[in-house]
Amino acid sequence: AQSVTQLDSQVPVFEEAPVELRCNYSSSVSVYLFWYVQYPNQGLQLLLKYLSGSTLVKGINGFEAEFNKSQTSFHLRKPSVHISDTAEYFCAVIRSGGSYIPTFGRGTSLIVHP
Amino acid sequence: ETGVTQTPRHLVMGMTNKKSLKCEQHLGHNAMYWYKQSAKKPLELMFVYNFKEQTENNSVPSRFSPECPNSSHLFLHLHTLQPEDSALYLCASRETGTSSYNSPLHFGNGTRLTVT
Repeated sequence: AQSVTQLDSQVPVFEEAPVELRCNYSSSVSVYLFWYVQYPNQGLQLLLKYLSGSTLVKGINGFEAEFNKSQTSFHLRKPSVHISDTAEYFCAVIRSGGSYIPTFGRGTSLIVHP
Repeated sequence: ETGVTQTPRHLVMGMTNKKSLKCEQHLGHNAMYWYKQSAKKPLELMFVYNFKEQTENNSVPSRFSPECPNSSHLFLHLHTLQPEDSALYLCASRETGTSSYNSPLHFGNGTRLTVT
């Protein structure tokens, strides 16, 4: 079985400040990792993904994430946030060799204040 | 412009009504999904169709009935719903196959359903 934990339900931050959204997973096999973003009144869209290779992955809108196998983490970071980054962020995991259906975390609401 | 289109965007229905949600994907994917997103709850997988065959039914009540006539279209038929069924219903599609096992989901913008 696999699970995804997003430790923070809400992260408030001021504009132009750095931010880190945390994601930890549990799985006994190799995993593929994803971050999705959901803006108000929209569906989820892919921010970035880790499949293999370099553990630092860059995505859209200036976001990046680092896969840490020993800590089973895949934290999302941005060095300087904008008001427009206010949204819900979801971490997701696909287990290698399974049904390839993603398991999602509960989401983290990023609130950027002016 | 999303490659996955959901209609209607908003729906208000009474508990005795029958309605349908529609999803269409223009991405050539062969798997389609229904998710339920309620406030303060995790995203809930409802149904999965792979090559038009239902491969997952996540213990969803029978008042929700999916239909997948082809790989591009997915419906969710609703009847005698309860107020707790009010939520955002999201459709997604994905390429599956031996070389696409880790491909991401592509979501529509959802249908906001309110059951009165």
